[in-house]
Amino acid sequence: GDSVTQMEGPVTLSEEAFLTINCTYTATGYPSLFWYVQYPGEGLQLLLKATKADDKGSNKGFEATYRKETTSFHLEKGSVQVSDSAVYFCALSDRGTGRRALTFGSGTRLQVQP
Amino acid sequence: DAGVTQSPTHLIKTRGQQVTLRCSPKSGHDTVSWYQQALGQGPQFIFQYYEEEERQRGNFPDRFSGHQFPNYSSELNVNALLLGDSALYLCASTTQELAAHYEQYFGPGTRLTVT
Repeated sequence: GDSVTQMEGPVTLSEEAFLTINCTYTATGYPSLFWYVQYPGEGLQLLLKATKADDKGSNKGFEATYRKETTSFHLEKGSVQVSDSAVYFCALSDRGTGRRALTFGSGTRLQVQP
Repeated sequence: DAGVTQSPTHLIKTRGQQVTLRCSPKSGHDTVSWYQQALGQGPQFIFQYYEEEERQRGNFPDRFSGHQFPNYSSELNVNALLLGDSALYLCASTTQELAAHYEQYFGPGTRLTVT
């Protein structure tokens, strides 16, 4: 079945540091890939997405590139801020199975210190 | 424009009891999905409702059931509660058009604690 594997957290960085959160996936079909962010006490928010190989999703300074050859979708940001502290989830939706449901990774908590 | 709303915010139940959680989708949305997020884990898909029918279901037992009303709001019912049902239950809404682009909006969740 479909699955998503994320690097374990927490990831602790100083403000303005470079961020990478690794994500790899397994899917039976041809998935679309997503990063969601969950701030304390809030619901999940879509951060960015990519629907085909080599697409780059980007939003709020975050980027991720759909790498089909390595089945990866790593999240990056060049300079993190304290306000980026949250839990980040990598997810996929497998178009090949016709399902619209999302399969999530276990999440990576990011803590940014001033 | 209100986003997805869920009630109650928190709930404490005893093993063996039944619980009903409620979700109002974002205005204009007609499709509702439910997810279970255990502590420290990613959300897991329970089921999705569209046109008052269950359209997709994840790997959850029949103790988990749902309903969608004509105004598109939805309920999640869990019978014979187990300690392992303790989790944050998330509702997400979308439209069939947005779903084609895999866009859905999540509510803040209901935190269920089973003792």
